[in-house]
Amino acid sequence: DAKTTQPTSMDCAEGRAANLPCNHSTISGNEYVYWYRQIHSQGPQYIIHGLKNNETNEMASLIITEDRKSSTLILPHATLRDTAVYYCIVRVSFNAGNNRKLIWGLGTSLAVNP
Amino acid sequence: SQTIHQWPATLVQPVGSPLSLECTVEGTSNPNLYWYRQAAGRGLQLLFYSVGIGQISSEVPQNLSASRPQDRQFILSSKKLLLSDSGFYLCAWSVGDPWGASYTFGSGTRLTVV
Repeated sequence: DAKTTQPTSMDCAEGRAANLPCNHSTISGNEYVYWYRQIHSQGPQYIIHGLKNNETNEMASLIITEDRKSSTLILPHATLRDTAVYYCIVRVSFNAGNNRKLIWGLGTSLAVNP
Repeated sequence: SQTIHQWPATLVQPVGSPLSLECTVEGTSNPNLYWYRQAAGRGLQLLFYSVGIGQISSEVPQNLSASRPQDRQFILSSKKLLLSDSGFYLCAWSVGDPWGASYTFGSGTRLTVV
């Protein structure tokens, strides 16, 4: 089961900032938050990840709350090509030892409108 | 630069027929390799992962198997397909920590079992 909660869908106007929220209230202190996106009929694409500090790269910014129970992915100037399903994932342990896998939920379907 | 090739893009197979999906990675050595499946309306499910030649770990008992005959080649197989094997199959790779690094996904194979 996914350990994150995201809205099913969102809309954004082209050129505006898209703010995608994610709740991960049971996150552990050493678990990272990852964001991927999947354009229709393609493989997921890595966007960004973080532990507790805000992160920024050429694609997006990741804002993590101080208590780490939620985060927001920000696409500063959304384009039509940003229309995709966005997945927020936390890295969890699934068995003893160092094996940890990403649990994928259903994500947020973002529609960027002209 | 690193690239990942996955084929075929689409496949329609009858129930009971065999399956072989191939994935190859270029531009990196000793990658971690993964097979995922994405069923309609569900999140990505990890099927198999491999940290080296001949080393295969299965996540979910099922009708499928995986092999890694070469460092950068990962094959997903089935002797007899079931209707429930339909889905979008994705190969991915990473380097370093199998669970800590970001993944790069292939373009996927959409399998329909009829």
